[in-house]
Parts: sequence; C-alpha cells; structure tokens
Amino acid sequence: DAGVTQSPTHLIKTRGQQVTLRCSPKSGHDTVSWYQQALGQGPQFIFQYYEEEERQRGNFPDRFSGHQFPNYSSELNVNALLLGDSALYLCASSSWRGAKNIQYFGAGTRLSVL
Amino acid sequence: EDQVTQSPEALRLQEGESSSLNCSYTVSGLRGLFWYRQDPGKGPEFLFTLYSAGEEKEKERLKATLTKKESFLHITAPKPEDSATYLCAVHGSSNTGKLIFGQGTTLQVKP
Repeated sequence: DAGVTQSPTHLIKTRGQQVTLRCSPKSGHDTVSWYQQALGQGPQFIFQYYEEEERQRGNFPDRFSGHQFPNYSSELNVNALLLGDSALYLCASSSWRGAKNIQYFGAGTRLSVL
Repeated sequence: EDQVTQSPEALRLQEGESSSLNCSYTVSGLRGLFWYRQDPGKGPEFLFTLYSAGEEKEKERLKATLTKKESFLHITAPKPEDSATYLCAVHGSSNTGKLIFGQGTTLQVKP
C-alpha cells in the first residue's frame, strides 16, 4: 500500500520564477493538506483541499495556490518566487470522514530559491 | 489564537537514560493532539493521537499522555535509533483540518 508520494524531491529555482509541486495521497484518502517547513521550525499550514475545493487556508499570500484533481491528487503552485520561499514543502493526506483528522505526510519537496 | 510550545528545544541522552518531552498548548476546543517523529530530510511520521485529558497511548519505548494544558512524550530506556525531532500538533474546533505545530524537540541518544 503506497503512502503519500510527492514529486519532485528537490528543486532549484531563481527569484521570480514559478514552481509546481505534486502530491498523490495515501490509498483511500480524499483530503490533501499542504505545509511549509522552514529549517529548524515546525510545519506551517498553507491550505487544505477536499472535493476539489480549498476548504481552509493558512496565512500565506495569494502567490500560493493549489488544485485537487478528481483522483484526489493535488498540486501546489507558487508564483513570483522569493528567497524566503526556500523550505521543505510537505503534503499530508487524510480521510474527511475518517479517524479524526489523522494526517499522514509524504517525504516532502525541498525547494531552494536562489 | 491556537498555539503550541515544545520544550526543551534539544535534548541529549545517554542510551538507557529515560526522559520526557513537553508540549504545552492553547486551543479553543481540542479536537485532537498529535505526536510525530521526523528524521532529517524526511516527512513527519505519525506516532500517536490523543483526544481527551487523561488519555494515554504507548508504542514500544514511547508513551504519550494528555492533560487539559499539556502533553508529555515519555521515552523509556531510549536507544540511538530513537534520535530524531519530535513534533507536537493540535487540531482545534475552529479549524476544519489545520494542524498547528510546535517547533519540535530534537532528541539525540548517544550509545
């Protein structure tokens, strides 16, 4: 049973560019959440998707956008990259009606902005 | 505003030396408290979830407990392979699915 998978594992971009990160949820899960984790910090919630709609959003600018597809996979898009966007981006999946919001994380995508 | 604070930030133990990690939280209506383990360069790995004060969960050398204001992760006779960062997170009633994380405790166990 495959867990949460994310691609790519590493990415290097320059300031001003745009990036797309991808996530496939754990089998049986229908909800995807995205988090940003800076070095030495805990993950910060970006947004959550269920039924192809953004259900909740954290304190991130509109440069961060997302999408969920009918097969429950998801993308995170970041426009006009800033140096401060360098971080580990984590995807977590869960079941909307399942065991009380237990979120399972992927290995993350390490984004470096130069 | 929901908030989580973990202490200490870093902890060094000798193999076999038991200790506890603390997670203090402020949340409007706790729907769940979660403990995760994170190894360097990897995603958090789910360990436990606790839902009400007085609840306890155990897994191998780890035991998590919950009160109305804090949670403890007790590590009994740790081994070097227990070295990792341990993250605590809460889910409050004002959020549909957002987890609020603490900054983590980095544990190093020396042989």
